[in-house]
Amino acid sequence: DARVTQTPRDKVTEMGQEVTMRCQPILGHNTVFWYRQTMMQGLELLAYFRNRAPLDDSGMPKDRFSAEMPDATLATLKIQPSEPRDSAVYFCASGLGGGTEAFFGQGTRLTVV
Amino acid sequence: GENVEQHPSTLSVQEGDSAVIKCTYSDSASNYFPWYKQELGKGPQLIIDIRSNVGEKKDQRIAVTLNKTAKHFSLHITETQPEDSAVYFCAATDGNEKLTFGTGTRLTIIP
Repeated sequence: DARVTQTPRDKVTEMGQEVTMRCQPILGHNTVFWYRQTMMQGLELLAYFRNRAPLDDSGMPKDRFSAEMPDATLATLKIQPSEPRDSAVYFCASGLGGGTEAFFGQGTRLTVV
Repeated sequence: GENVEQHPSTLSVQEGDSAVIKCTYSDSASNYFPWYKQELGKGPQLIIDIRSNVGEKKDQRIAVTLNKTAKHFSLHITETQPEDSAVYFCAATDGNEKLTFGTGTRLTIIP
């Protein structure tokens, strides 16, 4: 049963702390997306990768957010330092690109207090 | 960049009736239009998609129509059932991977 796996599912942290979210894309998928979902902004694209190379991270606050793919089986999204306004659900999705289905993980619910 | 607008934001229909959700997009280069369903506590899941070379696509009770000239596309759900209650998102991309989502429609099916 191929699926995108995200960890942790829930994270509560204090303002100023570093947060790392992890994603294991579906084996064989060459495109990975990071989205942030809030009630106010809906689903915002933060960054996406093709064959582990970042294609666009213009949706990401560069001063505190960073996204990487150390290898084909792991994508990470890091926030340092975290702020209360970062509280949201962060989704990772993977696919084969070229305008095809993106498969979403269950998300990481981040709460910064 | 692409801008996708979605209406309505909330929709309630009687079980068995039809539901229609509409989206417009701004980038004429967009050529792939998926629809996702999101249930509480889960990630969005694709339910149907359409490409710009097709005007309509149907899968059982779900259909999508596309009007490229007007730059709008719609989701139609017929014979609605309680399990159709969820949030639905439309999206658009020009094939360069940047999938832009609409703001979502919360659909409630009234038994």
